[in-house]
Amino acid sequence: SYELTQPPSVSVSPGQTARITCSGDALPKQYVYWYQQKPGQAPVVVIYKDSERPSGIPERFSGSSSGTTVTLTISGVQAEDEADYYCQSADSSGTLHVVFGGGTKLTVL
Amino acid sequence: QVQLQESGPGLVKPSETLSLTCTVSGGSISSYYWSWIRQPAGKGLEWIGRIYTSGSTNYNPSLKSRVTMSVDTSKNQFSLKLSSVTAADTAVYYCARVGEYCSNNSCYEDAFDIWGQGTMVTVS
Repeated sequence: SYELTQPPSVSVSPGQTARITCSGDALPKQYVYWYQQKPGQAPVVVIYKDSERPSGIPERFSGSSSGTTVTLTISGVQAEDEADYYCQSADSSGTLHVVFGGGTKLTVL
Repeated sequence: QVQLQESGPGLVKPSETLSLTCTVSGGSISSYYWSWIRQPAGKGLEWIGRIYTSGSTNYNPSLKSRVTMSVDTSKNQFSLKLSSVTAADTAVYYCARVGEYCSNNSCYEDAFDIWGQGTMVTVS
């Protein structure tokens, strides 16, 4: 089955830049979406289609893509950005089954 | 704005069928895909499947043999049934809307743009 691979954890100090990667063989062919999930809350999409930012999401959130890896970048990390982040995409087999990455815990030191 | 609310039993016995309903308010259920996603405590998100308002479905292969989704447009609701549950099915279950974007006269599925608050289901 198709898998998306994320690092389990990333730690940064306030004001620094956090980068969270997501790798998958089909990523050159399928868009990736990024979700932020805080404890006890439902996920919220922070990046659409690899690099688009929804209205209401701070400009410090950005996305980029290179080959089989996509990256969520949070510039000038703030304490409120501490959360779990999940990438999501679909396989490229034609079935468009949705796949989530395992999630990355972002810790703001 | 559109809101989603999951409802159903919070406790299900092993081998029985888990049944949940998602009610869509503030907008029409029509012309969108709708999904169920679950999350065991302390673990990641797992996509269960999607249903279009026509009734067309697509399920996660790992759950396909046990999952049935349905939609009732007259009630603005869609539902999930998961049969033969075990403790491994204990999780928070979310319903979500699949957004859409259009390009070059075709429309495609986009992110899960609206989520319910989630409902905890324990199998015991």
